Amino acid sequence: SQTIHQWPATLVQPVGSPLSLECTVEGTSNPNLYWYRQAAGRGLQLLFYSVGIGQISSEVPQNLSASRPQDRQFILSSKKLLLSDSGFYLCAGDRDSGWVTGELFFGEGSRLTVL
Amino acid sequence: AQSVTQLDSQVPVFEEAPVELRCNYSSSVSVYLFWYVQYPNQGLQLLLKYLSGSTLVKGINGFEAEFNKSQTSFHLRKPSVHISDTAEYFCAVTPTGFQKLVFGTGTRLLVSP
Repeated sequence: SQTIHQWPATLVQPVGSPLSLECTVEGTSNPNLYWYRQAAGRGLQLLFYSVGIGQISSEVPQNLSASRPQDRQFILSSKKLLLSDSGFYLCAGDRDSGWVTGELFFGEGSRLTVL
Repeated sequence: AQSVTQLDSQVPVFEEAPVELRCNYSSSVSVYLFWYVQYPNQGLQLLLKYLSGSTLVKGINGFEAEFNKSQTSFHLRKPSVHISDTAEYFCAVTPTGFQKLVFGTGTRLLVSP
């Protein structure tokens, strides 16, 4: 079965510090991968998606960047965190048939608090 | 572009009562529709999906939803809720041929004894 692992699960960082959140996928190859952010009262906001190695699309202008160095690895980064970067970050990928149906499977999330 | 509106941010209900969580969408093209559930501090799990065919879709944990094209709605229902159904529920839409999911802001279902 397809699973996504995210780490770290919880992170507390000072303003201005760097960030790296990592996501790895098991049980499928060449998935489309997504980073979502969930902020209180705002639902899920799509930040980035990737259809393959080195291919990143950004959905909103922001302080964050994403990279996909390997087929099953997706990384979310920042050089200098802002208070507004706090939130719950979710990595997601397509189900095997997801490229047709749009069904996603999600990791357990990474909670980032910027102080 | 597609959008999803979940008008109810929170729905309190007593155990064993019925519940309906509302979802309306906007799209100029045909869409697929989804309901996901999120338990505290976890990722999202798929409850059910509408791709085509019967407009009444049954999902896991006794939930069902009905696609109404004329009203552009996809409301989620359960005839009798349990304490364990307490969670946040997200409606999502994507155009057929799939590009990316657009989620609503979520509805928190609070089931009390």
